[in-house]
Amino acid sequence: EADIYQTPRYLVIGTGKKITLECSQTMGHDKMYWYQQDPGMELHLIHYSYGVNSTEKGDLSSESTVSRIRTEHFPLTLESARPSHTSQYLCASRAGPFRSPLHFGNGTRLTVT
Amino acid sequence: KNQVEQSPQSLIILEGKNCTLQCNYTVSPFSNLRWYKQDTGRGPVSLTIMTFSENTKSNGRYTATLDADTKQSSLHITASQLSDSASYICVVSGGDYGGSQGNLIFGKGTKLSVKP
Repeated sequence: EADIYQTPRYLVIGTGKKITLECSQTMGHDKMYWYQQDPGMELHLIHYSYGVNSTEKGDLSSESTVSRIRTEHFPLTLESARPSHTSQYLCASRAGPFRSPLHFGNGTRLTVT
Repeated sequence: KNQVEQSPQSLIILEGKNCTLQCNYTVSPFSNLRWYKQDTGRGPVSLTIMTFSENTKSNGRYTATLDADTKQSSLHITASQLSDSASYICVVSGGDYGGSQGNLIFGKGTKLSVKP
């Protein structure tokens, strides 16, 4: 199993709260990604990073932000949570170019009430 | 439009039986195709990767095939076990455009349930 960790595993929070989903990997991977996954649907890319101080928005329009101050850490922040943000959030990392597999964390299940 | 279609959406089989999952794609240009297994409550894990020149690749009881001409791939599971119950996701890479995520196109997955 890949060494990529996400916390918390589950989070229930009220509308309007600020939250940060944590993601850390110990493999020294430069490339890291955040995906959103809803039941029965494909994964959608929210943000990605090629390395320290590099962040880009993905295909899915999102009100979240990310930072990459250290290679191993790639947190995702929602400034004001809304019920539409209820979803599964998966963090992933990759060693090199496109042939390398994505290594996923076990996800954070977010529910916004 | 780049798309990855998987079928069936869900499948129930008895333990010990074989099954085949399908993946059709319209991604162009094509670089590679990867199958992931996602257990309930876990992140996806890579099973196998297929490149343009590869027709068949095995990983234990899992055998993936690729027909680049018809843009189809299949994942065959032999002698299924209860632990094979999971979602199987087909992901096609359209190449490394400018060093991004490699233009990964995800299918919606096939949910497999293996019953005793």
